[in-house]
Amino acid sequence: NAGVTQTPKFQVLKTGQSMTLQCAQDMNHEYMSWYRQDPGMGLRLIHYSVGAGITDQGEVPNGYNVSRSTTEDFPLRLLSAAPSQTSVYFCASSPIVGGSPLHFGNGTRLTVT
Amino acid sequence: KQEVTQIPAALSVPEGENLVLNCSFTDSAIYNLQWFRQDPGKGLTSLLLIQSSQREQTSGRLNASLDKSSGRSTLYIAASQPGDSATYLCAVSSMDTGRRALTFGSGTRLQVQP
Repeated sequence: NAGVTQTPKFQVLKTGQSMTLQCAQDMNHEYMSWYRQDPGMGLRLIHYSVGAGITDQGEVPNGYNVSRSTTEDFPLRLLSAAPSQTSVYFCASSPIVGGSPLHFGNGTRLTVT
Repeated sequence: KQEVTQIPAALSVPEGENLVLNCSFTDSAIYNLQWFRQDPGKGLTSLLLIQSSQREQTSGRLNASLDKSSGRSTLYIAASQPGDSATYLCAVSSMDTGRRALTFGSGTRLQVQP
């Protein structure tokens, strides 16, 4: 059982470049989310989805887009990378919204130069 | 806005000690609280989830308690082992975010010395 799979593990971008961070889960979870983790700031929610076709903004959505065309996949798009987006990005899922344990992927470490 | 604080930021104990990690939150209107473990370079693993109506949850050597009225939770680790070394984070699901988001603390980095 793969759980939550994130690719790539590491990425270096130049300012202004765009890219997509991939997230897939094989547990048929309805809820999926993206967090970023920065030293001293904990984890902050970027975007989330409560089902296919439904997405919404979290605490720090600026500069990021998401879509949820299937239950399994929830990609995060950086439109025009900035050094402030250097961070570790985690995708997480759970069977229902808020009432069950959250399952995390192993993260993508992104550096923007 | 909900804020979650974890003190201390780091803790070092000798193997075999029982220890307590603390988590406090500012808004008692929560649905639940989760404790997570994070190993270096890895994602978070959920250890225990306590619903707002519960007082505690236990899993093996771990026991988490919740006092919603005072805005506090503790994670008790019995007979600590070097393999328990990791960062422990607590997170709350609050009514102000409608269950859709967790608010995380910054974590306590635990080192258990052999």
